[in-house]
Amino acid sequence: AQSVTQLDSHVSVSEGTPVLLRCNYSSSYSPSLFWYVQHPNKGLQLLLKYTSAATLVKGINGFEAEFKKSETSFHLTKPSAHMSDAAEYFCVVSALDGANNLFFGTGTRLTVIP
Amino acid sequence: DGGITQSPKYLFRKEGQNVTLSCEQNLNHDAMYWYRQDPGQGLRLIYYSQIVNDFQKGDIAEGYSVSREKKESFPLTVTSAQKNPTAFYLCASSRKGLAAYNEQFFGPGTRLTVL
Repeated sequence: AQSVTQLDSHVSVSEGTPVLLRCNYSSSYSPSLFWYVQHPNKGLQLLLKYTSAATLVKGINGFEAEFKKSETSFHLTKPSAHMSDAAEYFCVVSALDGANNLFFGTGTRLTVIP
Repeated sequence: DGGITQSPKYLFRKEGQNVTLSCEQNLNHDAMYWYRQDPGQGLRLIYYSQIVNDFQKGDIAEGYSVSREKKESFPLTVTSAQKNPTAFYLCASSRKGLAAYNEQFFGPGTRLTVL
């Protein structure tokens, strides 16, 4: 079975400081992993995805994530937070088992303090 | 300008009424999806369709129905049988194939409130 656990429901950082949003996954097969961002009352936008290529994945807006199989983790980081980064972030897993579904974490709300 | 549109943005309905949410895409994607989002929860899959005239139930299909008569359109009907329909509904689409490889593109969502 596939699932993701986002370890923090809310993260608060000061503008200009690093961002760390944590995600652990569980998968019976080799997973593909995604991070999506959602601004209030908007749809979701893909930040980055891991599909068994390089373990360090770079995404849009300066975000990156590292796939660590030994730790079953896919944490999202950014060196310096910007006010526009304030949003909800979802970690998502899909297993390469022939199904066509995604499994969403419960989300982490990022607040950026000026 | 390619993308997914959902209408209306806000929808109010009285208890006991059916209501249909629109989703249109001009990305030429084969697959389309409907999700429900509740506060503090991730997205839950209602229905999905990988090809015209075919669709499959997701995790929470009870009280919902869909159709897929055209590639571009995947309307969702929330029926009176849905016990707790107030939520934010998101439509998505992707190229055909494994979700693992094909990014899903999301519409802006419809917020449904039952009065």
